Amino acid sequence: GAGVSQSPRYKVAKRGQDVALRCDPISGHVSLFWYQQALGQGPEFLTYFQNEAQLDKSGLPSDRFFAERPEGSVSTLKIQRTQQEDSAVYLCASSQRAANGYTFGSGTRLTVV
Amino acid sequence: GENVEQHPSTLSVQEGDSAVIKCTYSDSASNYFPWYKQELGKGPQLIIDIRSNVGEKKDQRIAVTLNKTAKHFSLHITETQPEDSAVYFCAASRETSGSRLTFGEGTQLTVNP
Repeated sequence: GAGVSQSPRYKVAKRGQDVALRCDPISGHVSLFWYQQALGQGPEFLTYFQNEAQLDKSGLPSDRFFAERPEGSVSTLKIQRTQQEDSAVYLCASSQRAANGYTFGSGTRLTVV
Repeated sequence: GENVEQHPSTLSVQEGDSAVIKCTYSDSASNYFPWYKQELGKGPQLIIDIRSNVGEKKDQRIAVTLNKTAKHFSLHITETQPEDSAVYFCAASRETSGSRLTFGEGTQLTVNP
């Protein structure tokens, strides 16, 4: 597609519920990143994929967070046993080359109640 | 790791005036410095970037300057228009494969008609 597509746009989860957030990157983009953006703050790095390989997951805040990109295109960020502090906008970005000219999606706003 | 500080956090200008946003970074190995504009409910959009081999880059009403010695870079917007109103983020990274972006806290720019 023409841009990075994320779904759902909004997600409300009860505390303890598992959620899955989807990212469709720009076709042909090798690099895919997930960022977390808390209200009023800049995005913070979560994890990076080059094709299907997860090369950096050092930003994931706990073992409740898991990301995959099995075929090197669509990626899913999964959060298990959600907690209130997980409430944020989750942004996906893709690029042809890492760190160069990221294109971000519109994000998924997760609210944990 | 990298730390990016951004000032001011809010900036209000009259239409037609100039706006300047400043950022400092801590990692002397950082060599790629993009600026993003984020409108409400949307993902960050790349507006201009600069690499450490140049000191200044201009694109129409937008310019960015970089001082490697002092480790700071700035965004300059001239002849501001109401549609420039948004949150602006600076970021820094080492432009290598898999390198993450470290973002500043953002500047809410308001252009008053």
